[in-house]
Amino acid sequence: DAGITQSPRYKITETGRQVTLMCHQTWSHSYMFWYRQDLGHGLRLIYYSAAADITDKGEVPDGYVVSRSKTENFPLTLESATRSQTSVYFCASSRAPHYGYTFGSGTRLTVV
Amino acid sequence: TQLLEQSPQFLSIQEGENLTVYCNSSSVFSSLQWYRQEPGEGPVLLVTVVTGGEVKKLKRLTFQFGDARKDSSLHITAAQPGDTGLYLCAGPSNNAGNMLTFGGGTRLMVKP
Repeated sequence: DAGITQSPRYKITETGRQVTLMCHQTWSHSYMFWYRQDLGHGLRLIYYSAAADITDKGEVPDGYVVSRSKTENFPLTLESATRSQTSVYFCASSRAPHYGYTFGSGTRLTVV
Repeated sequence: TQLLEQSPQFLSIQEGENLTVYCNSSSVFSSLQWYRQEPGEGPVLLVTVVTGGEVKKLKRLTFQFGDARKDSSLHITAAQPGDTGLYLCAGPSNNAGNMLTFGGGTRLMVKP
């Protein structure tokens, strides 16, 4: 199916564990983004990628790592999860940074 | 930093009522986008406004971009329960490589 898919939809992990959230898009969009959404903070950009092998930090990158070896995939890794990283994470893609974004359905991550 | 402020933050109305939500900034934006996010899902792009003074209609939704391109409004006529959701405005930020910056959103509940 065309679109953007995130997995898993829900994840519970323990403090200190490494966890990877997956994002796959079939649009062949150049740009991909990772956001976290928290009450009171809205959507905050974690990392973005302009193309394969090109990534850059957003507003809240600390504690996260990304990679983009293929255009269609943009995984987000929490190297050592902390409770403050409990959030809903959204992946998005776009043809250009100022064009409309297509969002995935999100991953609800709980760090206990 | 180009900030977008949305008002009201919360709005609860009865089915059939009209409403307007606002997206304001002290900065000029080259364009503004409106998204709707339903519970448990990612935001979905509704419309992009580009020209100052532009008005776009999407069924019962009317979007307007301010003449000075610093603000936008969304008017819903005869609201229905299906309009319930979080409405987000977003615009490309000069400070962030044209990445979209999002407002905090207006959470709308339409009661039957």
